[in-house]
Amino acid sequence: GENVEQHPSTLSVQEGDSAVIKCTYSDSASNYFPWYKQELGKGPQLIIDIRSNVGEKKDQRIAVTLNKTAKHFSLHITETQPEDSAVYFCAASRETSGTYKYIFGTGTRLKVLA
Amino acid sequence: KAGVTQTPRYLIKTRGQQVTLSCSPISGHRSVSWYQQTPGQGLQFLFEYFSETQRNKGNFPGRFSGRQFSNSRSEMNVSTLELGDSALYLCASSLETGGYGYTFGSGTRLTVV
Repeated sequence: GENVEQHPSTLSVQEGDSAVIKCTYSDSASNYFPWYKQELGKGPQLIIDIRSNVGEKKDQRIAVTLNKTAKHFSLHITETQPEDSAVYFCAASRETSGTYKYIFGTGTRLKVLA
Repeated sequence: KAGVTQTPRYLIKTRGQQVTLSCSPISGHRSVSWYQQTPGQGLQFLFEYFSETQRNKGNFPGRFSGRQFSNSRSEMNVSTLELGDSALYLCASSLETGGYGYTFGSGTRLTVV
């Protein structure tokens, strides 16, 4: 069945450095790729998303790139801060005639060391 | 604006019992989706309701059901609870169906003993 692989499972970076998380999806019909940040005791929070007709999207320190040919997309966080520490999830979704499949990756625990 | 509200936050139930979880979406959001989150399986889609109709359903047994009311509030019910149903149940609301721009609640932590 369809799946989304996410790497790495844990990532430690020094404050101020960049962090990159990568996801690969199997369903070539996927057309929506969101990223979520989940802090302890909270639900996931949408931080950025991209649709399949766009190759890159940026929002301040966060950017997402999409390579549809290779079926992978990445989250880039620059100038990391301690408050960026959380678990990050990618997801891939496709909608067909009103029904959709929404599959999450397994998550990356990011630790930003002060 | 108020976020997605899930009640209760924590619940302990015994095997064989049933449970009902509640979700109040962001005002104006007509789509409510439910997810189960566990350390082993991650985030798994249960179902989505839009304008009181179930629009999409994941691969969960019939013991898991839901409904949506005319004010978009949604409830999820699990009957004949099993130990494996212990999980964080998350509700997400959005303006449109399809999972675009989800806003998640903080979840209900269900423990089955």
